[in-house]
Amino acid sequence: AQSVAQPEDQVNVAEGNPLTVKCTYSVSGNPYLFWYVQYPNRGLQFLLKYITGDNLVKGSYGFEAEFNKSQTSFHLKKPSALVSDSALYFCAVSRPSGNTGKLIFGQGTTLQVKP
Amino acid sequence: SAVISQKPSRDICQRGTSLTIQCQVDSQVTMMFWYRQQPGQSLTLIATANQGSEATYESGFVIDKFPISRPNLTFSTLTVSNMSPEDSSIYLCSVGRTGTGQETQYFGPGTRLLVL
Repeated sequence: AQSVAQPEDQVNVAEGNPLTVKCTYSVSGNPYLFWYVQYPNRGLQFLLKYITGDNLVKGSYGFEAEFNKSQTSFHLKKPSALVSDSALYFCAVSRPSGNTGKLIFGQGTTLQVKP
Repeated sequence: SAVISQKPSRDICQRGTSLTIQCQVDSQVTMMFWYRQQPGQSLTLIATANQGSEATYESGFVIDKFPISRPNLTFSTLTVSNMSPEDSSIYLCSVGRTGTGQETQYFGPGTRLLVL
């Protein structure tokens, strides 16, 4: 069965420091991987995705993520955190085979950036 | 991307009643999905809304409880029937297209439901 794990419920960083939000997945075949962000009382906003090609993908708001097939990970990173980055982050996976488009979400990680 | 709206944005309902949530997209999309986000939890897929045919439900979700309509490629409704406090959640629709480069799903703003 497909699954996504975000091992940290919360990540705390100081503004200006680099941040990492971790994600590991378990899925057969080659997955499609996504990061979404949810601000309070808002829907989900798409940040970035890995489909194929370069393992390092860049997305919105200066975020990037690195796909590591051997470690089945897709960690979200940003070189310099902003207070406005504080939000709930979700990693998600889908399987291209079957083309159903269904997303499986991790449990979410709350990012708290302090001034 | 697509502009997605949901109505209502929030509601407070009495147990035993039903609520229909609408999802409208500003362009035609291949796929529409309905997710539930229970308080403090992640998102769980309820069903795939199929245009012109019955929705495809995930394990643990049934048509009698969550009837779904999708009359065209830009609109879908989700009804939460015979509600109980356990149905208090955020309900989100998402849309997607098939084809290379179209793998991303985009989400509506969600409907916050509180059942008393």
